Amino acid sequence: DADVTQTPRNRITKTGKRIMLECSQTKGHDRMYWYRQDPGLGLRLIYYSFDVKDINKGEISDGYSVSRQAQAKFSLSLESAIPNQTALYFCATSETRDRYNEQFFGPGTRLTVL
Amino acid sequence: GESVGLHLPTLSVQEGDNSIINCAYSNSASDYFIWYKQESGKGPQFIIDIRSNMDKRQGQRVTVLLNKTVKHLSLQIAATQPGDSAVYFCAENILTGGGNKLTFGTGTQLKVEL
Repeated sequence: DADVTQTPRNRITKTGKRIMLECSQTKGHDRMYWYRQDPGLGLRLIYYSFDVKDINKGEISDGYSVSRQAQAKFSLSLESAIPNQTALYFCATSETRDRYNEQFFGPGTRLTVL
Repeated sequence: GESVGLHLPTLSVQEGDNSIINCAYSNSASDYFIWYKQESGKGPQFIIDIRSNMDKRQGQRVTVLLNKTVKHLSLQIAATQPGDSAVYFCAENILTGGGNKLTFGTGTQLKVEL
């Protein structure tokens, strides 16, 4: 969805490096999410935020941190990248309206940690 | 813990035939379900959703069926086209103390043969 953008789209880095993935959205949604996708494992939630002052851990938050600088921006950091963090990373957004909230996904960032 | 799983990792169909992709869920508290389509190199895209108070919902060429008795969800695609080739994910919405969250299945690869 063009309304949710991610940078960079591809990144190759070395073990121990600090990496930041950026997500921006123009949908005006309050809720933002970071997921990781590995082959055969589907999408797994890393962190999520329901507004600028709200940060919540997902099921696989170890080794990651996030920052919600503004409603439209949600960044994911790997403080010291390791090879098993090689994966596709997706940002998503949703509205705060009711309990039935579809999520809109960005195009993804392919991260390779050597 | 609860999980969402798909019966078949890969489904091959002939162009023009109907496709049926299945999904089993185990959380009886789930009240909203979504099917996403993910094409190669792209993020997941919303296809259709259904609330737990419904058994069936139809969209353009797609139908979702929900059987709460056996906790089963299916996506039917009519007259499958080459552009339907993608990975399809089901997701269930669960209300937690931290708000609504989606849990995704592992995905089914749909291959359309000409």
